Amino acid sequence: KNEVEQSPQNLTAQEGEFITINCSYSVGISALHWLQQHPGGGIVSLFMLSSGKKKHGRLIATINIQEKHSSLHITASHPRDSAVYICAVKKGTGTASKLTFGTGTRLQVTL
Amino acid sequence: EPEVTQTPSHQVTQMGQEVILRCVPISNHLYFYWYRQILGQKVEFLVSFYNNEISEKSEIFDDQFSVERPDGSNFTLKIRSTKLEDSAMYFCASQKAGSNTEAFFGQGTRLTVV
Repeated sequence: KNEVEQSPQNLTAQEGEFITINCSYSVGISALHWLQQHPGGGIVSLFMLSSGKKKHGRLIATINIQEKHSSLHITASHPRDSAVYICAVKKGTGTASKLTFGTGTRLQVTL
Repeated sequence: EPEVTQTPSHQVTQMGQEVILRCVPISNHLYFYWYRQILGQKVEFLVSFYNNEISEKSEIFDDQFSVERPDGSNFTLKIRSTKLEDSAMYFCASQKAGSNTEAFFGQGTRLTVV
């Protein structure tokens, strides 16, 4: 069983829709990352959070440590948001602790 | 804005050949990582590196793999004798000191072994 599970695996939305991507994890963590991967393959970090909520532009990330669950929301979605969104967790407390990745959610936003 | 730079962006090599993937981490970062992503699969951890030595490595990181920080700026991943199954996207990441600091990723090197 994967330690990090994302849902849905694939998501198609129309421009302007509110989007939610979910991440559940089964281990204790010190931080959770949301990352974006475009078709070219590069990975961009969107958020790192260990509690509560963070907002950046149209993106909002929340985490519930007790429930071992995080969500990434995109408000007023746009075709340029089309990408794979990946949840990754850091299990250890040391700085050098590796990230464990989910399988990603492929989002396509259409006009 | 500082960024992690990887070269080359794409490398094609014959099976059995040695390859070196190069990364220039962000200059004040002290922790370095290599991850890989086989096409259609999730990103997997390979190795972490701090203070000129490996901190942790995965089962994937066998004797065919090695890492080095030869000159204080570059961070390299060497695969000694490539196999077909080494074909993947390889990502370098770096992180500065301090608990729960963010990791920054390079754009990746796509390695194709033929």
